Amino acid sequence: SYELTQPPSVSVSPGQTARITCSGDALPKKYAYWYHQKSGQAPALVMYEDNKRPSGIPERLSGSSSGTVATLTISGAQVDDEGDYYCYSTDITGNEWVFGGGTKLTVL
Amino acid sequence: QVQLVQSGAEVKKPGASVKISCKASGYNVASNYMHWVRQAPGKGPEWMGKINPGIGSTTYSQKFQGRISMTRDTATTTVYMELSSLTSDDTAVYYCAREYCTATTCYNGNLDYWGQGSLLTVSS
Repeated sequence: SYELTQPPSVSVSPGQTARITCSGDALPKKYAYWYHQKSGQAPALVMYEDNKRPSGIPERLSGSSSGTVATLTISGAQVDDEGDYYCYSTDITGNEWVFGGGTKLTVL
Repeated sequence: QVQLVQSGAEVKKPGASVKISCKASGYNVASNYMHWVRQAPGKGPEWMGKINPGIGSTTYSQKFQGRISMTRDTATTTVYMELSSLTSDDTAVYYCAREYCTATTCYNGNLDYWGQGSLLTVSS
């Protein structure tokens, strides 16, 4: 089955830049989406189609994708950015959607 | 405003089935796919499948093929997810989530509204 691989954790100080990667064999041909989840809440979309921000998401969040790796970049990280981040994409057929294992972002 | 309201918590025994509902309102329900995503305690989300509420067509994750069914009731704008042959591994919070669509395009991976979640506990 298709897998998306993320680092388990990323830690930065407030104001620094956090980069969260997502690796998958189909990413050269399929878009990556990114979800942020805080404890006890449903996931919320923060980036779609590799690098597009939904309404209300600040410009300091950006996305990119190159080859088999998609990256979510959070510039000027804030305590409110903490939580779990999941990449989301589909296998090469487009029929099977998969979440990455998740990356816990700590800002302190 | 868009709302997805799910049914309440369930406790089931191994081998049983569960049917979870998701009542949608505040938009044209027939226009947007509805996805089901579950999240086991301490784990990441897991995509289960999707349904087109307009025509009832479905796509299921291979993992759940044969024991999952998604249906809809157009009169009450409610979608349902039924999972059978439950085991303790099915203990999770189950979410319905709407796929974002504009007038001309749907964005498959863009799940813009989520239900509040329904906790399923499978235990003997």
